[in-house]
Amino acid sequence: DIQMTQSPSTLSASVGDRVTITCRASQSISSWLAWYQQKPGKAPKLLIYKASSLESGVPSRFSGSGSGTEFTLTISSLQPDDFATYYCQQYNSYSGLTFGGGTKVEIK
Amino acid sequence: EVQLVESGGGLVKPGGSLRLSCAASGFTFSSYSMNWVRQAPGKGLEWVSSISSSSSYIYYADSVKGRFTISRDNAKNSLYLQMNSLRAEDTAVYYCARDWGVVVPSYFDYWGQGTLVTVSS
Repeated sequence: DIQMTQSPSTLSASVGDRVTITCRASQSISSWLAWYQQKPGKAPKLLIYKASSLESGVPSRFSGSGSGTEFTLTISSLQPDDFATYYCQQYNSYSGLTFGGGTKVEIK
Repeated sequence: EVQLVESGGGLVKPGGSLRLSCAASGFTFSSYSMNWVRQAPGKGLEWVSSISSSSSYIYYADSVKGRFTISRDNAKNSLYLQMNSLRAEDTAVYYCARDWGVVVPSYFDYWGQGTLVTVSS
C-alpha cells in the first residue's frame, strides 16, 4: 500500500495567518490526491481534488499544489471557521486508498 | 440535495456480526460508485471498501478482506456493509461516502453523518 505522511501533526496559528500543510507519498501518485477538512463530531468535507482543483463552494483561500510524492495544502488567510483537522488522501492505487494521519489546526 | 444516512451501528461482542446500511437520496444512486470509510475513536480516517455503480468492481482494505462484504441495491438506493468476525479493532464510526470515480475508487465528494460500531465483550 502507498503510505501517506502528513506534517505537522498539530499546527498552532492565529486568524489571518498563512498556513501550509505538507503531505508526502511513499511512491509517486501523479496528481491523484485529495484534501479534506473535518470538524469534531462531523463528517469530512472535500476541499481539493486532483491535487489542485478546488471543490465547488470551497472558499478560494484554500489551495493545493504538488505532484509525484510531495503535496501542500495552503490556507492563505486563516479564518475562525478553518480551525479543524485536515487529511490528505491518495487515489492512485485501487489496491488501497490511503489517508494521511491528519493535521490539527489549533488556535494560537 | 445529496443525502447519505447510515444506520445499523451498535454494540456487538467480538466474533459477532453486524450489517450497516446507507440510504441515499438527492442524486442518481445507480450512477455512482460508493464507499465505506471508518474512523476509530480519536484516530484518523481509514478506507474500508468500495463498490462500483453496477456492483461489477468491488475492493476491500486488507484489514477487512474476508470478513466484510459490501453490496448495494440500486432499486432501493441503498448501500450495505455486512461485517462478520468482528474484532475490537473494528470499533469505529463508519461513514458512507459517494465516489467521484466510475470504476476505480477515487475521492469522496459527499459523506453521511456516520454510525458508531463498538466491538466489546
